[in-house]
Amino acid sequence: QLQLQESGPGLVRPSETLSLTCIVSGGSISPSRYYWGWIRQPPGEGLEWIGGISYTENTYYNPSLKSRVTISVDMSRTQFSLKLYSVTAADTAVYYCARGGDLDYMDVWGKGTTVTVSS
Amino acid sequence: QSVLTQPPSTSGTPGQRVTISCSGSSSNIGSRYVYWYQQVPGTAPKVLIYRNNQRPSGVPDRFSGSKSGTSASLAISGLRSEDEADYFCAAWDDNLNELVFGTGTKVTVL
Repeated sequence: QLQLQESGPGLVRPSETLSLTCIVSGGSISPSRYYWGWIRQPPGEGLEWIGGISYTENTYYNPSLKSRVTISVDMSRTQFSLKLYSVTAADTAVYYCARGGDLDYMDVWGKGTTVTVSS
Repeated sequence: QSVLTQPPSTSGTPGQRVTISCSGSSSNIGSRYVYWYQQVPGTAPKVLIYRNNQRPSGVPDRFSGSKSGTSASLAISGLRSEDEADYFCAAWDDNLNELVFGTGTKVTVL
């Protein structure tokens, strides 16, 4: 059974880079027809799509975050990553990684990891 | 600010039927599939409905989805205490070129 697990620092300083990894177990990122994405949820708020990467490594980003985001797949094909540059307090959120049956359909989610941006 | 609008909350007693609306536009719900997610506080979202009205295996048939024009609905029949959660709709938006989520609806079982 496919499982996803986010990992990374829980505290990031303002203006620095938030880096998270999603470890995929019980399956492989490729070869597959799936998308692999990131979604976040600020405290007490709704869900925001950050972006995704296809099995052919095409990337898709939320236009409002595009200038600060990079999503990539690890060469081992067992994990994918999120980098969010120049963070501010507004980037404080629970970050989820997920598998997408399509770019708009997240069918398997990680448990989420809380990232706080603070000095 | 989300482009998909949901009522903030709804409630019902056990056994009742409740519906949650999701209002969008021609660039999202009107032309794309709608998805529904359930999120119990403190846990990750779980997909309930995909492609407007399809249930993944394991999701009870008490949950059903529908779409008409630029709006969609999620119905929960035979409400149970474990249905108390937040519910979000989602759809791709062709104008924004991103996946958008609804504002979320909190379901309370009285």
